Amino acid sequence: GQSLEQPSEVTAVEGAIVQINCTYQTSGFYGLSWYQQHDGGAPTFLSYNALDGLEETGRFSSFLSRSDSYGYLLLQELQMKDSASYFCATGGSQGNLIFGKGTKLSVKP
Amino acid sequence: DGGITQSPKYLFRKEGQNVTLSCEQNLNHDAMYWYRQDPGQGLRLIYYSQIVNDFQKGDIAEGYSVSREKKESFPLTVTSAQKNPTAFYLCASSIVGAGELFFGEGSRLTVL
Repeated sequence: GQSLEQPSEVTAVEGAIVQINCTYQTSGFYGLSWYQQHDGGAPTFLSYNALDGLEETGRFSSFLSRSDSYGYLLLQELQMKDSASYFCATGGSQGNLIFGKGTKLSVKP
Repeated sequence: DGGITQSPKYLFRKEGQNVTLSCEQNLNHDAMYWYRQDPGQGLRLIYYSQIVNDFQKGDIAEGYSVSREKKESFPLTVTSAQKNPTAFYLCASSIVGAGELFFGEGSRLTVL
């Protein structure tokens, strides 16, 4: 089966850097995605890693190590608006996408 | 503008009633998905479809049904057999095999 594990909550202060980890177990591997969801809203896509290494998109970066079945999302220069839940997700062999349970990030002034 | 439209945004239903949630996309995506989200929880896959007239069960398909008669549309019916239907329902679409899903704004179903 497939499963993804990530911390349930993370707290950081404005301007800081925070890393949200994700470990996964899959029968095959089809890339690791990250999504952001504000309370009451829909998830929005942040990044996707198909290969090992770091992908950078503005203040957000995502890293993947396939040999360790591990990835992380790095958020820099934290802002209050970054307070949200963050989900890692990976694809299945049949084209479905499975999500982790999410990490609730609280950014404090 | 391209996107995904879900309706209704809020829905109330009495126990024992079926209800159908609409999902329409104009992104020309072949793949469409339905997820359920409970408070403080992640997204759990109900059904997904990669092509018209074909769909597969996800992890929690019991008590739900879908159809995919058109590429643009993927309605979800929550039947009376679903024991705990109160939840936030999210529809999404993507290019088949892609890591990026595009989500609708969601439908919040409350069973009274």
